[in-house]
Amino acid sequence: SQTIHQWPATLVQPVGSPLSLECTVEGTSNPNLYWYRQAAGRGLQLLFYSVGIGQISSEVPQNLSASRPQDRQFILSSKKLLLSDSGFYLCAWSRSLAGANNEQFFGPGTRLTVL
Amino acid sequence: KNQVEQSPQSLIILEGKNCTLQCNYTVSPFSNLRWYKQDTGRGPVSLTIMTFSENTKSNGRYTATLDADTKQSSLHITASQLSDSASYICVVINSGTYKYIFGTGTRLKVLA
Repeated sequence: SQTIHQWPATLVQPVGSPLSLECTVEGTSNPNLYWYRQAAGRGLQLLFYSVGIGQISSEVPQNLSASRPQDRQFILSSKKLLLSDSGFYLCAWSRSLAGANNEQFFGPGTRLTVL
Repeated sequence: KNQVEQSPQSLIILEGKNCTLQCNYTVSPFSNLRWYKQDTGRGPVSLTIMTFSENTKSNGRYTATLDADTKQSSLHITASQLSDSASYICVVINSGTYKYIFGTGTRLKVLA
Protein backbone atom coordinates (compact mmCIF):
# COMPACT_ATOMS: atom_id res chain seq x y z
CA SER A 1 0.00 0.00 0.00
CA GLN A 2 1.01 3.59 -0.49
CA THR A 3 1.89 5.97 2.31
CA ILE A 4 2.88 9.61 2.35
CA HIS A 5 5.04 11.18 5.02
CA GLN A 6 5.72 14.77 5.94
CA TRP A 7 8.15 16.24 8.41
CA PRO A 8 8.43 17.98 10.59
CA ALA A 9 4.89 17.83 11.98
CA THR A 10 5.20 21.27 13.55
CA LEU A 11 7.71 24.06 13.16
CA VAL A 12 8.17 27.46 14.74
CA GLN A 13 10.60 29.72 12.91
CA PRO A 14 11.62 33.38 13.23
CA VAL A 15 11.02 35.82 10.39
CA GLY A 16 13.92 35.83 7.95
CA SER A 17 15.03 32.27 8.68
CA PRO A 18 15.22 29.55 6.00
CA LEU A 19 12.70 26.75 5.59
CA SER A 20 12.81 23.20 4.39
CA LEU A 21 9.78 20.89 4.53
CA GLU A 22 10.05 17.38 3.23
CA CYS A 23 7.50 15.01 1.75
CA THR A 24 8.10 11.42 0.73
CA VAL A 25 5.82 8.82 -0.80
CA GLU A 26 6.21 5.06 -0.45
CA GLY A 27 4.68 2.20 -2.36
CA THR A 28 4.32 3.82 -5.77
CA SER A 29 6.53 5.07 -8.57
CA ASN A 30 6.44 8.23 -10.67
CA PRO A 31 3.68 9.89 -8.65
CA ASN A 32 2.45 13.40 -9.29
CA LEU A 33 3.28 15.47 -6.23
CA TYR A 34 1.66 18.61 -4.85
CA TRP A 35 2.27 21.23 -2.18
CA TYR A 36 -0.73 23.05 -0.71
CA ARG A 37 -1.08 25.71 1.96
CA GLN A 38 -4.16 25.90 4.13
CA ALA A 39 -4.71 29.20 5.93
CA ALA A 40 -7.32 29.55 8.66
CA GLY A 41 -10.79 29.95 7.14
CA ARG A 42 -9.46 29.51 3.62
CA GLY A 43 -9.60 26.68 1.15
CA LEU A 44 -6.46 24.78 0.26
CA GLN A 45 -4.27 26.75 -2.11
CA LEU A 46 -2.09 24.89 -4.59
CA LEU A 47 1.49 26.15 -4.40
CA PHE A 48 3.46 23.75 -6.61
CA TYR A 49 3.04 20.49 -8.44
CA SER A 50 5.46 18.11 -10.08
CA VAL A 51 4.97 15.41 -12.68
CA GLY A 52 8.53 14.09 -12.49
CA ILE A 53 12.04 14.53 -11.14
CA GLY A 54 13.21 18.10 -11.58
CA GLN A 55 9.87 19.20 -13.06
CA ILE A 56 8.20 21.87 -10.96
CA SER A 57 5.19 24.01 -11.81
CA SER A 58 4.49 27.04 -9.66
CA GLU A 59 0.92 28.16 -9.22
CA VAL A 60 1.29 31.44 -7.40
CA PRO A 61 4.17 33.91 -7.10
CA GLN A 62 5.49 33.80 -3.59
CA ASN A 63 8.36 33.54 -1.22
CA LEU A 64 8.59 29.77 -1.54
CA SER A 65 10.22 27.31 -3.92
CA ALA A 66 9.94 23.57 -4.48
CA SER A 67 12.29 20.87 -5.65
CA ARG A 68 12.00 17.19 -6.53
CA PRO A 69 15.46 15.64 -6.25
CA GLN A 70 14.16 12.07 -6.29
CA ASP A 71 11.12 10.34 -7.75
CA ARG A 72 9.25 10.13 -4.46
CA GLN A 73 10.65 13.14 -2.64
CA PHE A 74 9.24 16.66 -2.75
CA ILE A 75 10.76 19.55 -0.82
CA LEU A 76 9.31 22.97 -0.04
CA SER A 77 11.84 25.68 0.74
CA SER A 78 12.29 29.31 1.50
CA LYS A 79 15.44 31.40 1.89
CA LYS A 80 13.78 33.97 4.18
CA LEU A 81 10.45 33.34 5.86
CA LEU A 82 7.76 36.01 6.12
CA LEU A 83 5.00 36.24 8.71
CA SER A 84 2.50 35.54 5.94
CA ASP A 85 4.13 32.14 5.34
CA SER A 86 2.51 30.80 8.50
CA GLY A 87 -0.03 28.10 7.82
CA PHE A 88 -0.71 24.40 7.48
CA TYR A 89 1.26 22.85 4.62
CA LEU A 90 -0.02 19.73 2.97
CA CYS A 91 1.73 17.45 0.53
CA ALA A 92 -0.32 15.20 -1.74
CA TRP A 93 0.26 12.62 -4.45
CA SER A 94 -1.77 11.17 -7.30
CA ARG A 95 -1.20 8.52 -9.95
CA SER A 96 -2.09 10.91 -12.76
CA LEU A 97 -3.19 14.46 -13.34
CA ALA A 98 -6.38 13.55 -15.15
CA GLY A 99 -8.98 10.85 -15.39
CA ALA A 100 -9.99 8.19 -12.90
CA ASN A 101 -6.54 8.05 -11.32
CA ASN A 102 -6.34 11.72 -10.43
CA GLU A 103 -7.48 11.21 -6.84
CA GLN A 104 -5.09 13.05 -4.57
CA PHE A 105 -3.96 11.46 -1.31
CA PHE A 106 -2.83 13.86 1.35
CA GLY A 107 -0.07 13.66 3.92
CA PRO A 108 -0.49 14.48 7.61
CA GLY A 109 0.62 18.09 7.14
CA THR A 110 3.13 20.47 8.73
CA ARG A 111 2.00 23.32 10.97
CA LEU A 112 4.36 26.27 10.38
CA THR A 113 4.33 29.29 12.65
CA VAL A 114 6.51 32.24 11.73
CA LEU A 115 7.14 34.65 14.60
CA LYS B 1 -14.41 32.16 -12.20
CA ASN B 2 -13.88 28.70 -10.72
CA GLN B 3 -15.27 28.77 -7.19
CA VAL B 4 -16.63 26.35 -4.64
CA GLU B 5 -18.78 27.65 -1.80
CA GLN B 6 -19.88 25.63 1.19
CA SER B 7 -22.52 26.16 3.82
CA PRO B 8 -22.88 26.35 6.68
CA GLN B 9 -19.41 27.41 7.82
CA SER B 10 -19.89 25.53 11.06
CA LEU B 11 -22.47 23.23 12.56
CA ILE B 12 -23.08 21.73 15.99
CA ILE B 13 -25.35 18.70 16.38
CA LEU B 14 -26.08 16.10 19.01
CA GLU B 15 -24.82 12.57 18.68
CA GLY B 16 -27.25 10.37 16.77
CA LYS B 17 -28.76 13.21 14.77
CA ASN B 18 -28.55 13.61 11.00
CA CYS B 19 -27.16 16.62 9.15
CA THR B 20 -26.70 17.87 5.60
CA LEU B 21 -23.83 19.98 4.30
CA GLN B 22 -24.14 22.02 1.12
CA CYS B 23 -21.75 22.78 -1.72
CA ASN B 24 -22.34 25.12 -4.69
CA TYR B 25 -19.81 25.47 -7.47
CA THR B 26 -19.14 27.44 -10.60
CA VAL B 27 -16.25 25.29 -11.86
CA SER B 28 -16.31 24.73 -15.58
CA PRO B 29 -15.66 22.49 -17.37
CA PHE B 30 -16.61 19.96 -14.72
CA SER B 31 -14.79 16.67 -14.25
CA ASN B 32 -15.86 15.29 -10.90
CA LEU B 33 -16.71 16.32 -7.38
CA ARG B 34 -15.22 14.92 -4.19
CA TRP B 35 -16.02 15.25 -0.54
CA TYR B 36 -13.11 15.04 1.90
CA LYS B 37 -13.10 14.72 5.68
CA GLN B 38 -10.31 16.54 7.52
CA ASP B 39 -9.70 15.89 11.18
CA THR B 40 -8.12 18.78 13.07
CA GLY B 41 -4.41 18.99 12.35
CA ARG B 42 -4.48 16.16 9.81
CA GLY B 43 -4.60 15.84 6.04
CA PRO B 44 -7.94 15.44 4.22
CA VAL B 45 -9.23 11.95 3.48
CA SER B 46 -11.54 11.23 0.56
CA LEU B 47 -15.13 10.18 1.35
CA THR B 48 -16.82 10.09 -2.05
CA ILE B 49 -16.25 10.93 -5.70
CA MET B 50 -19.05 11.77 -8.09
CA THR B 51 -18.90 12.14 -11.84
CA PHE B 52 -21.25 14.14 -14.05
CA SER B 53 -23.69 11.29 -14.55
CA GLU B 54 -24.00 10.25 -10.91
CA ASN B 55 -26.75 11.63 -8.69
CA THR B 56 -26.15 9.80 -5.45
CA LYS B 57 -23.29 7.89 -3.87
CA SER B 58 -23.02 6.40 -0.41
CA ASN B 59 -20.10 5.48 1.81
CA GLY B 60 -21.43 3.99 5.01
CA ARG B 61 -23.31 6.70 6.90
CA TYR B 62 -22.23 9.32 4.35
CA THR B 63 -24.41 9.98 1.30
CA ALA B 64 -23.45 12.52 -1.33
CA THR B 65 -25.76 13.93 -3.97
CA LEU B 66 -24.99 15.87 -7.11
CA ASP B 67 -27.20 18.03 -9.28
CA ALA B 68 -25.06 18.94 -12.27
CA ASP B 69 -27.75 21.19 -13.71
CA THR B 70 -27.89 23.49 -10.70
CA LYS B 71 -24.23 22.83 -9.82
CA GLN B 72 -25.02 21.82 -6.29
CA SER B 73 -23.92 18.93 -4.12
CA SER B 74 -24.78 17.86 -0.61
CA LEU B 75 -23.28 15.51 1.94
CA HIS B 76 -25.74 13.86 4.31
CA ILE B 77 -24.48 12.26 7.50
CA THR B 78 -26.80 9.78 9.16
CA ALA B 79 -26.83 8.89 12.85
CA SER B 80 -23.85 11.10 13.64
CA GLN B 81 -21.07 9.90 15.92
CA LEU B 82 -18.55 11.82 18.00
CA SER B 83 -15.86 10.75 15.52
CA ASP B 84 -17.68 12.64 12.76
CA SER B 85 -16.42 15.88 14.32
CA ALA B 86 -14.19 17.29 11.60
CA SER B 87 -14.11 19.69 8.67
CA TYR B 88 -15.81 18.49 5.49
CA ILE B 89 -14.38 19.88 2.29
CA CYS B 90 -16.05 19.91 -1.11
CA VAL B 91 -13.63 19.73 -4.03
CA VAL B 92 -14.49 20.17 -7.71
CA ILE B 93 -12.04 19.11 -10.38
CA ASN B 94 -11.78 21.20 -13.51
CA SER B 95 -11.58 18.90 -16.52
CA GLY B 96 -9.70 21.48 -18.55
CA THR B 97 -6.84 22.10 -16.12
CA TYR B 98 -7.33 18.97 -13.92
CA LYS B 99 -6.86 21.19 -10.90
CA TYR B 100 -8.64 20.70 -7.62
CA ILE B 101 -10.81 23.68 -6.60
CA PHE B 102 -11.37 23.52 -2.85
CA GLY B 103 -14.22 24.90 -0.81
CA THR B 104 -13.44 26.46 2.57
CA GLY B 105 -15.13 23.57 4.36
CA THR B 106 -17.86 23.09 6.93
CA ARG B 107 -16.66 22.51 10.48
CA LEU B 108 -18.91 19.94 12.15
CA LYS B 109 -18.94 19.30 15.87
CA VAL B 110 -20.91 16.39 17.29
CA LEU B 111 -21.75 16.62 20.97
CA ALA B 112 -22.54 13.76 23.32
